[in-house]
Amino acid sequence: QSALTQPASVSGSPGQSITISCTGTSSGVGTYNLVSWYQQHPGVAPKLIIYEGNERPSGVSSRFSGSTSGNTASLTISGLQAEDEAHYYCCSYAGSSSYVFGTGTTVSVL
Amino acid sequence: EVQLVESGGALVQPGGSLRLSCEASGFELSRYYMTWVRQAPGKGLEWVANIKQDGAEKFYVDSVKGRFTISRDNAKNSVYLHMNSLRAEDTAVYYCARDTGTIDYWGQGTLVTVSS
Repeated sequence: QSALTQPASVSGSPGQSITISCTGTSSGVGTYNLVSWYQQHPGVAPKLIIYEGNERPSGVSSRFSGSTSGNTASLTISGLQAEDEAHYYCCSYAGSSSYVFGTGTTVSVL
Repeated sequence: EVQLVESGGALVQPGGSLRLSCEASGFELSRYYMTWVRQAPGKGLEWVANIKQDGAEKFYVDSVKGRFTISRDNAKNSVYLHMNSLRAEDTAVYYCARDTGTIDYWGQGTLVTVSS
């Protein structure tokens, strides 16, 4: 399975909105509605922030939202805050009980 | 509260073996698939393997097939990753995670270093 493609970095000023894309070809993004997004700060485990394309787990800020169109999933962070500075990974179920992750995006808050 | 605690990471020589353990608490392990994900130093996440609730079905990424074996003991609330014929490229933090079709809860990870 080839990794899903994400931009290496995205930046924005506090209060702005940013969007991270996640594109797959044969890796399930457009086949299964099972795309999740994870936030990872340095030195700690990833944290689930979006699942099934656009659902937020309990306790995750409503500033995080997800969407999917065709083979591309997107994560939008609105009202960007300093604490949002982290690495973000998408992940898609890829069939046969397997998963494929995105290449990862570093979000910087200017 | 869901908790996953990995252990067993170590420095091992190329060609060596290691067994990672993951102790689960706060949920009924026997009701869930479980997954291992790894992250090489400074790199992204890679799904490694998962196992069905009863252990009857196991799935692996191509790069570890034939070398790694995932197993579980629901009575001991534990999941394992047996790693043989280790290579330098297996060096990573290995995370145990719960798998519901979404990889939702993660442990803190355990570091495996393959080096002579």
